[in-house]
Amino acid sequence: QVQLVQSGAEVKKPGASVKVSCKASGYTFTGYYVHWMRQVPGEGLEWLGWVNPNSGGTSYAQKFQGRVTMTGDTSINTAYMVLNRLTSDDTAVYYCTRGYGYQSDYWGQGTLVTVSS
Amino acid sequence: DIQLTQSPSFLSASLGDRVTFTCRASQGISNYLAWYQQRPGKAPNLLIYAASTLHSGVPLRFSGSGSGTEFTLTISNLQPEDFATYYCQQLHSYPITFGQGTRLDIK
Repeated sequence: QVQLVQSGAEVKKPGASVKVSCKASGYTFTGYYVHWMRQVPGEGLEWLGWVNPNSGGTSYAQKFQGRVTMTGDTSINTAYMVLNRLTSDDTAVYYCTRGYGYQSDYWGQGTLVTVSS
Repeated sequence: DIQLTQSPSFLSASLGDRVTFTCRASQGISNYLAWYQQRPGKAPNLLIYAASTLHSGVPLRFSGSGSGTEFTLTISNLQPEDFATYYCQQLHSYPITFGQGTRLDIK
């Protein structure tokens, strides 16, 4: 069955970077985009961008351009999202998802990233 | 950016009821709209895409309609597991955006 398993919770200081991993199984990793979303606890959902694991191509929300990098390692079926120059506003649960068309049909369990001094 | 406005923000209903949520887009998005259900502490689940196509495994009591700027999600015969928060998502233009959600509580 399709599974996306994300790395564990992180606590970072302002100005630091975070790297979240997303290991895919149960499907052909190179056949689907991986999207990244985030959700501030108790609030709505925000799209950060996607990576095409087959080509390495990416598309990022303008809000995060220059601060986010998404990659995929096809040798281990794992996608990564790195977010730099963290502030307290980046405290959220980060999700990776499998792109089914443009919508997301499978989601990881979420990774809580807390930014605090 | 395309803004999605969901209404109501909160809805209270009883088991067996039929409920309808609305999602309005700030500009036309054809049928590039998806609906998700999110239970507390869990990741969202895809319910409907292309405005009205039921995702595999989703019960038939869920249905979606609409095109352009106005969309609806209807749940018939509410079951206990349906009490959750529902989000719409537009896939017409970047950045992909979500509505603020409708929380459905049991009366």
